Amino acid sequence: DGGITQSPKYLFRKEGQNVTLSCEQNLNHDAMYWYRQDPGQGLRLIYYSQIVNDFQKGDIAEGYSVSREKKESFPLTVTSAQKNPTAFYLCASSIGWPGEQFFGPGTRLTVL
Amino acid sequence: AQSVTQLGSHVSVSEGALVLLRCNYSSSVPPYLFWYVQYPNQGLQLLLKYTSAATLVKGINGFEAEFKKSETSFHLTKPSAHMSDAAEYFCAVSGGGGADGLTFGKGTHLIIQP
Repeated sequence: DGGITQSPKYLFRKEGQNVTLSCEQNLNHDAMYWYRQDPGQGLRLIYYSQIVNDFQKGDIAEGYSVSREKKESFPLTVTSAQKNPTAFYLCASSIGWPGEQFFGPGTRLTVL
Repeated sequence: AQSVTQLGSHVSVSEGALVLLRCNYSSSVPPYLFWYVQYPNQGLQLLLKYTSAATLVKGINGFEAEFKKSETSFHLTKPSAHMSDAAEYFCAVSGGGGADGLTFGKGTHLIIQP
């Protein structure tokens, strides 16, 4: 079955540690996205990538980094520079613009 | 730049009653509009989308939405609420060209009273 997988479902890290969230898709979509979700704030765009080896900052990119070495994969690293990293992180992909985005199940990151 | 406003962070309706979730948008270009649903601790699932074809859009699970350009609105409705409709609903807009991300509203939590 085609879809988007995110791992792990829950992640705990100590303050000051970098952590990488995985996102893989087998939908053959060109575009991939990372969003952050906080209660009452909707979803906010962190980074997006339209094609392999290219990515763009979204609205809240500070403290995050990404790579896009393969079409199927778009990992997100939450660095120690991110001041408030505890949140629910959602990865999405789309076949292009303005096609709808397909979402993964999310990773809940808690920084202790 | 585009933005989305969802009126009401929480909406409560009785089972069998009409569901109306409001969404207003602003966009400098003709928009593409989406409604997504999210169940607790899950990703988002597309309910329906408007992409400049018919202004009345039908989606899954009996939901529909009407695009009204003059009112810059894209309200979501369902004639008869079911307990399984209880979830968080997000309106989103895409515009400006390029595969950039969607701009989401803050969400509306739909509560269904038995």
